[in-house]
Amino acid sequence: SQQGEEDPQALSIQEGENATMNCSYKTSINNLQWYRQNSGRGLVHLILIRSNEREKHSGRLRVTLDTSKKSSSLLITASRAADTASYFCATDQFDRGSTLGRLYFGRGTQLTVWP
Amino acid sequence: DAMVIQNPRYQVTQFGKPVTLSCSQTLNHNVMYWYQQKSSQAPKLLFHYYDKDFNNEADTPDNFQSRRPNTSFCFLDIRSPGLGDAAMYLCATSRDRARETQYFGPGTRLLVL
Repeated sequence: SQQGEEDPQALSIQEGENATMNCSYKTSINNLQWYRQNSGRGLVHLILIRSNEREKHSGRLRVTLDTSKKSSSLLITASRAADTASYFCATDQFDRGSTLGRLYFGRGTQLTVWP
Repeated sequence: DAMVIQNPRYQVTQFGKPVTLSCSQTLNHNVMYWYQQKSSQAPKLLFHYYDKDFNNEADTPDNFQSRRPNTSFCFLDIRSPGLGDAAMYLCATSRDRARETQYFGPGTRLLVL
């Protein structure tokens, strides 16, 4: 499978705590993206990190990428109840003979933040 | 302000009765995608258009077709829905082949009776 795999599948924390989600993948990538999905809604792009970058920040989000280990992590600091959602990593992988853009999504981590 | 719009948000159809889902975008993006997402699963790419060029995924059933009459609109046609086609269908766009951010619509939840 070319999908990324998130870990854990489910995470339950209290407001104010940090949440860390991990993503592993199998092939070389151009970039890795994290998306958020509220229940019954579409996906919302959070952050994109390119293969030559190691860390990126956006507000309370911190993403790291280790291409040698083929893994990424998403850290949400000082979590809020409104952060409750599913979080997906998606990898933009090199498709042999293709220049078309496509993403391979993992199954996601379901984050629940309790007030 | 809506950038990727999907209609309807909920669709109920009968087994075997053709159904069409629609997607429109105000971003003027070249690429439009259709994904199928079942409960607690990853979004699965069905096909995408780069401008008018149609790109089908190898494992997309023939039952699923798509049309893109212009830059703004893209349709997903399910010719003979089966019970296994009940899912959330997500439309997304991206600017070009540069493999950048994808912008998703809110999705259409399809129920097959």
